[in-house]
Amino acid sequence: EAQVTQNPRYLITVTGKKLTVTCSQNMNHEYMSWYRQDPGLGLRQIYYSMNVEVTDKGDVPEGYKVSRKEKRNFPLILESPSPNQTSLYFCASSPNDSVNEQYFGPGTRLTVT
Amino acid sequence: GQQLNQSPQSMFIQEGEDVSMNCTSSSIFNTWLWYKQDPGEGPVLLIALYKAGELTSNGRLTAQFGITRKDSFLNISASIPSDVGIYFCAGPSQLYDKVIFGPGTSLSVIP
Repeated sequence: EAQVTQNPRYLITVTGKKLTVTCSQNMNHEYMSWYRQDPGLGLRQIYYSMNVEVTDKGDVPEGYKVSRKEKRNFPLILESPSPNQTSLYFCASSPNDSVNEQYFGPGTRLTVT
Repeated sequence: GQQLNQSPQSMFIQEGEDVSMNCTSSSIFNTWLWYKQDPGEGPVLLIALYKAGELTSNGRLTAQFGITRKDSFLNISASIPSDVGIYFCAGPSQLYDKVIFGPGTSLSVIP
């Protein structure tokens, strides 16, 4: 089944404790992206990658890191999480020639206390 | 930068009613997209519009690409409980390297 998977689905952590949210897709898509969703603000892009070893900042990259060492994986790293990073996070992927049609993962709900 | 606005922010309707929501921008978009997010899941693309004035249907959903290229509309006819969710309009950035999402319209359907 074609899908985007994220782990963990739920995470509660404390300020400053490094964490990684994994994202994997099995559709051989070049393009991958991370979004955060907050009430009233919609989906805001954090980082995106158009291919292996190519990453770019989205609209809200501060406090986040990403890497793209393999085509299928695009982990999101919070080196020192803060409470304002409490949010619902989505990973998405698409072919490079069709970034309009993004396939989203199920989401990761992160709470930072 | 490019931004999208959606109205209404939320809607509560009776099952069987028709629904209309819209999306506007101060800048021109060459493609308009409508995504739906079911509760507890990620968004899914419903309709893509590529030409000004275009009217496209997907079952009970109909979307239109505004003539000015600064707006789009989504209509749902004869709503049913599974229409519940958040509807996002979206469009590609000017460099076509990312998709910009609106804040969403939350739809609740009362059986």
